[in-house]
Amino acid sequence: AQKITQTQPGMFVQEKEAVTLDCTYDTSDPSYGLFWYKQPSSGEMIFLIYQGSYDQQNATEGRYSLNFQKARKSANLVISASQLGDSAMYFCAMREGRGYSGAGSYQLTFGKGTKLSVIP
Amino acid sequence: SAVISQKPSRDICQRGTSLTIQCQVDSQVTMMFWYRQQPGQSLTLIATANQGSEATYESGFVIDKFPISRPNLTFSTLTVSNMSPEDSSIYLCSGKEGNTEAFFGQGTRLTVV
Repeated sequence: AQKITQTQPGMFVQEKEAVTLDCTYDTSDPSYGLFWYKQPSSGEMIFLIYQGSYDQQNATEGRYSLNFQKARKSANLVISASQLGDSAMYFCAMREGRGYSGAGSYQLTFGKGTKLSVIP
Repeated sequence: SAVISQKPSRDICQRGTSLTIQCQVDSQVTMMFWYRQQPGQSLTLIATANQGSEATYESGFVIDKFPISRPNLTFSTLTVSNMSPEDSSIYLCSGKEGNTEAFFGQGTRLTVV
């Protein structure tokens, strides 16, 4: 079973509007972290936001916020006031466990990504 | 947060040859990772680069094909050996910083002809 599921291969949003990118995850580990990355056409991976499984509040970073619903195992990314420069691939990723058990525990598992296109 | 300089940013290589990709971090990091992103696909972990010991490879990836070096806490290399067109991908290195962030190099876009 996939650990990270992004069901939207592509999304369109009007400039200045808000958009939600969906992400659901699957883990039995009580300790985990959820990440969102932006990948423009240049190929680099840009870290956007992080949510820990024990965090009480939803994470926010500027125009990015994470709608964390633990019981539903979802971690949707909300981008407010979309800009043309937001057009890119967006990946949701998960890191399981505290990693104290050694190498490999800190790796990220990625979803398939959502291509966001911002329309002027 | 830490910054990784990855090079080359892109290359076109002949099949049968090898390419070494370098990642230099501007601070010491305990764990570094190498990922492959095939065209139109997500990222797949190749291996975890351990300082002072052999890398830990994921299923489907072997040391003979993807040898990795990690001579110190700020540097790592990945070699793609005996390349074929199927190796055409973006290769990315990543470092862990605390628990709340994993940062990436700029990526190497490899085309094998």
